[in-house]
Amino acid sequence: EDQVTQSPEALRLQEGESSSLNCSYTVSGLRGLFWYRQDPGKGPEFLFTLYSAGEEKEKERLKATLTKKESFLHITAPKPEDSATYLCAVQAGNQGGKLIFGQGTELSVKP
Amino acid sequence: DAMVIQNPRYQVTQFGKPVTLSCSQTLNHNVMYWYQQKSSQAPKLLFHYYDKDFNNEADTPDNFQSRRPNTSFCFLDIRSPGLGDAAMYLCATSQRSYNEQFFGPGTRLTVL
Repeated sequence: EDQVTQSPEALRLQEGESSSLNCSYTVSGLRGLFWYRQDPGKGPEFLFTLYSAGEEKEKERLKATLTKKESFLHITAPKPEDSATYLCAVQAGNQGGKLIFGQGTELSVKP
Repeated sequence: DAMVIQNPRYQVTQFGKPVTLSCSQTLNHNVMYWYQQKSSQAPKLLFHYYDKDFNNEADTPDNFQSRRPNTSFCFLDIRSPGLGDAAMYLCATSQRSYNEQFFGPGTRLTVL
């Protein structure tokens, strides 16, 4: 069964304290791994797509990496506005683009 | 700006009273998805349309139906809402099946 597990469930950081979020996955025929940011009461906001092991993508303070079993979202010198839930999702082959989401990591950055 | 729009943002209905949620997009994407997200849970796919082709997830209750009258609009109908259907309903679009999906702001459904 295709599955996505994110850790930790919650992460509290001080402003400027860099850290990483983990997304482990088991999937038949990975078509893509996606990172989204979700603010309370809003829809997920697309951040990155990764397609193959070794791939890396960066955007401002965020950097996403991918291996054959997991992905990391590195946050460098976070600011309070980075506080949100970060969702990881995978697409498997022959499922019509269905996103299988992890439970998310709730990030809180204190000034 | 091209976007995904959902109406209403908040919907309150009574147990068993039919409700329709609306999604429209200005991205001209081929694929439209409906996800259900319950409190503190991950979004879960209900069904999707690739153009006019409807694809239902095996575990989506029969109580949920969808219509896509044209490229821009998609509707989610809940025929007889139960208390367990209270959730955030998210509409998403993508250009093709295995591209990134762009989400609307969601509709928060409350069932009394």
